[in-house]
Amino acid sequence: TQLLEQSPQFLSIQEGENLTVYCNSSSVFSSLQWYRQEPGEGPVLLVTVVTGGEVKKLKRLTFQFGDARKDSSLHITAAQTGDTGLYLCAGWANAGKSTFGDGTTLTVKP
Amino acid sequence: DTGVSQNPRHKITKRGQNVTFRCDPISEHNRLYWYRQTLGQGPEFLTYFQNEAQLEKSRLLSDRFSAERPKGSFSTLEIQRTEQGDSAMYLCASSFSRYEQYFGPGTRLTVT
Repeated sequence: TQLLEQSPQFLSIQEGENLTVYCNSSSVFSSLQWYRQEPGEGPVLLVTVVTGGEVKKLKRLTFQFGDARKDSSLHITAAQTGDTGLYLCAGWANAGKSTFGDGTTLTVKP
Repeated sequence: DTGVSQNPRHKITKRGQNVTFRCDPISEHNRLYWYRQTLGQGPEFLTYFQNEAQLEKSRLLSDRFSAERPKGSFSTLEIQRTEQGDSAMYLCASSFSRYEQYFGPGTRLTVT
């Protein structure tokens, strides 16, 4: 069974602070996605990383895929209250099935 | 809006009843996925279709669960003889590329 562990489980910060959340596994993934989910809604895709060592930036969000394609991180610069939500990572070992972590719940306080 | 749609958004049923959920994927997407999510956890894979073929099914899916995708378009997920442990958010996602998937808003099932 391929498991993805996300840390921290909960994170509460003030608006304007920086933060990093992590997604780790002992398994190698062909690709990894990050999603943000709000209560009562489905996850929204933020980014896909495919190549080991890859770094992608999306405005204030920076995503990195580990060299060995076993782990990933999401860094948010100058967090805003609108960044509040559940951040999920999902790894793919084949085309049919993805494995999700249990997420990091981020609260950004004004 | 051309995103993934799911109906109903909420379903309350009594234990022992059957329920059916529908998912309409993004029109050009040939892959369709069903997940289940409970509070405090990430989505848990249930099953996957490529066009009308069901290619993978989780071992967690008991015989009470069945999914179909006739003609490779919309999909239905049926749960027979519901149990309280079936209470969860049921998520549908579709994709065209090999890995990226786009989720619908989910169906919240409550079994009383």
